[in-house]
Amino acid sequence: SQELEQSPQSLIVQEGKNLTINCTSSKTLYGLYWYKQKYGEGLIFLMMLQKGGEEKSHEKITAKLDEKKQQSSLHITASQPSHAGIYLCGAYRGSNYQLIWGAGTKLIIKP
Amino acid sequence: DAGVIQSPRHEVTEMGQEVTLRCKPISGHNSLFWYRQTMMRGLELLIYFNNNVPIDDSGMPEDRFSAKMPNASFSTLKIQPSEPRDSAVYFCALKGVGTEAFFGQGTRLTVV
Repeated sequence: SQELEQSPQSLIVQEGKNLTINCTSSKTLYGLYWYKQKYGEGLIFLMMLQKGGEEKSHEKITAKLDEKKQQSSLHITASQPSHAGIYLCGAYRGSNYQLIWGAGTKLIIKP
Repeated sequence: DAGVIQSPRHEVTEMGQEVTLRCKPISGHNSLFWYRQTMMRGLELLIYFNNNVPIDDSGMPEDRFSAKMPNASFSTLKIQPSEPRDSAVYFCALKGVGTEAFFGQGTRLTVV
C-alpha cells in the first residue's frame, strides 16, 4: 500500500457542484503539497500546507491539513471545466528533497 | 514560477537505441530533479542534483540510466540501451524558493 492514499481515485462532478479530495498519510505529516496535472502536461503547484489546522485557498480551491488525522483535504467550490485534471498530493519523507506522492485523483467535470 | 523547458516533448525510439532527454531551466537553478511517471508506479524520483552535483541517484533504475548536470542551466537524462519498459513520461523539476518543486512539461518516451 502507498504511504499517501488518495481518495477517491476518480470523480465525475456536474459543473457548478462542490467536491472534496482526500489525502491520508500512514505516517506523521509535517507538510503536504497539492499539485494539479492536465493530461500530457507537467504538474502545477497549487499550495503547500505546513502546520496542523492550516488552511489555504487559491481561487476556488481550498486545502486543509489535519495533523491528528494525518490527512489533508482539497475542496473545490462551484466546480468549472478548468478544474478538470489529476490532483496529486505529496509529502517529504526523511529529507528535504524526497517527495512521496499519492497515486492521484482524476477529476472530470460534466458540463 | 521557475520555468523549465524540456526537450523533446515526445520521443519514439526503437528498443536498443540511445535516448537523451534534455532539461533547461529558464533561469539557472542549482537544485534539479528528474522524475518518471507511469500508470503502474506513479511518480518516481530518479535523481536529485544540488549545486550541479548528484546527491541522490538511488532512484535510477539501472546502469542503463545516467544523468548529468554540467551547469545550472542544463541537465540531461540518458538511457542506453533503451527498453520498452522505459516507456513513461519523464519530468524535470526545480526546487523553488521554499520547498515546493516546479515541473517542466515532460517528455513522453515510447520505446517500441
